[in-house]
Amino acid sequence: AIRITQSPSSLSASIGDRVTITCRANENIYGHLAWYQQKAGTAPKVLIYDTSILQSGVPSRFSGGGYGTDFTLTISGLQSEDVATYYCQQCHGYPLTFGGGTKVEVK
Amino acid sequence: EVQMLESGGDFIQPGGSLKLSCAASGFMFSRFHISWVRQTPGKGPEWVATIDFTGDVTYYADSVKGRFIISRDNSKDILHLQMTGLRVEDTAVYHCCKGGGEYRAFDPWGPGTLVTVSS
Repeated sequence: AIRITQSPSSLSASIGDRVTITCRANENIYGHLAWYQQKAGTAPKVLIYDTSILQSGVPSRFSGGGYGTDFTLTISGLQSEDVATYYCQQCHGYPLTFGGGTKVEVK
Repeated sequence: EVQMLESGGDFIQPGGSLKLSCAASGFMFSRFHISWVRQTPGKGPEWVATIDFTGDVTYYADSVKGRFIISRDNSKDILHLQMTGLRVEDTAVYHCCKGGGEYRAFDPWGPGTLVTVSS
């Protein structure tokens, strides 16, 4: 199974800060990675798919990058509404697997 | 608007059986892979199963293989998950999601239905 290691598990940043979350796969998944945002009490929502394509309606301060085994999610200018837990997920092969999540808080 | 709505969650004893359903709307159901993903409060999501658009090909997580069966009715735009031999560790909110095949992300997720397995 493809293992995804996500870091950090939590972070606290100030409004306006640039925030970066990393996911590493234990084998090549090409560009087949998605990022989800989950706010308290709700189901996850996709932010980015195919590594870097923003889902419709997602603010442009979110961006994704990487290829192969190393991927990043960047929030360029953290906003209060970005408080959530973020998950990456490999869409390359079965079993489909998620990273452990990153809880983002505002200082 | 694409929507997924689950039903059938319940409180059940270990070893019991339960069938979940998911009603889909707002897209051509018969053209997409559909999946079940579960999540225990405070933990990350766990993929459970995916069925291809025809219903002929299915994929399962090792943790549920041989106990759960995913199926679909393309005439009614409905997805099912038949769960047998339920274990305490199957306790979770079960979400149905469009996608999970052909390199597609899970989008959207339904709000989920709670399955509690306990004696």
